Amino acid sequence: AQSVTQPDIHITVSEGASLELRCNYSYGATPYLFWYVQSPGQGLQLLLKYFSGDTLVQGIKGFEAEFKRSQSSFNLRKPSVHWSDAAEYFCAVGVFANRDDKIIFGKGTRLHILP
Amino acid sequence: DVKVTQSSRYLVKRTGEKVFLECVQDMDHENMFWYRQDPGLGLRLIYFSYDVKMKEKGDIPEGYSVSREKKERFSLILESASTNQTSMYLCASSSVGPYSNQPQHFGDGTRLSIL
Repeated sequence: AQSVTQPDIHITVSEGASLELRCNYSYGATPYLFWYVQSPGQGLQLLLKYFSGDTLVQGIKGFEAEFKRSQSSFNLRKPSVHWSDAAEYFCAVGVFANRDDKIIFGKGTRLHILP
Repeated sequence: DVKVTQSSRYLVKRTGEKVFLECVQDMDHENMFWYRQDPGLGLRLIYFSYDVKMKEKGDIPEGYSVSREKKERFSLILESASTNQTSMYLCASSSVGPYSNQPQHFGDGTRLSIL
């Protein structure tokens, strides 16, 4: 069965430090891949998506993600975090095969920023 | 800018009541979704709709129903509210095509408490 795993429930980094949030998926083919961010009290906002082509994709707010087929991963990175990046981040995988057409969300990683 | 509006940010109801959660989108999107979000469980799909008057069950439809009489409006109905339906409810929409490769646009959520 298809699944999405975000191994880290919470991550804490200092302001100005680099960030990497992990996402692994289980799916037989190359899925569509998304990262969303949810700020406190708000809905989810799309950060970036990968469908095909260049495996390094750029998103909004200075985020990027890299698709690694061999590792079934789509990790989110940012070179220098800001206090406003404190939020919950969701990786999502779109699967479309055998009459299945759906998006599966990971359980999220909550990012805390130390001043 | 695109907008998904949920009618209430916070709602308190009593056990056994019939509860309506309303969602309106202004993007002329065909696909609309209702999720519930609980700590540690991430987003779980309740129902979705790909057209007016069409609906499909998601992963956890029990105790819920939906209505889509107009393209822009998708309502979630709790037929007889129970305390285990206390949760954050998120509405989303996406444009025509497979769900799997369409970014979803989310409302800010309704935090529902059932007493």
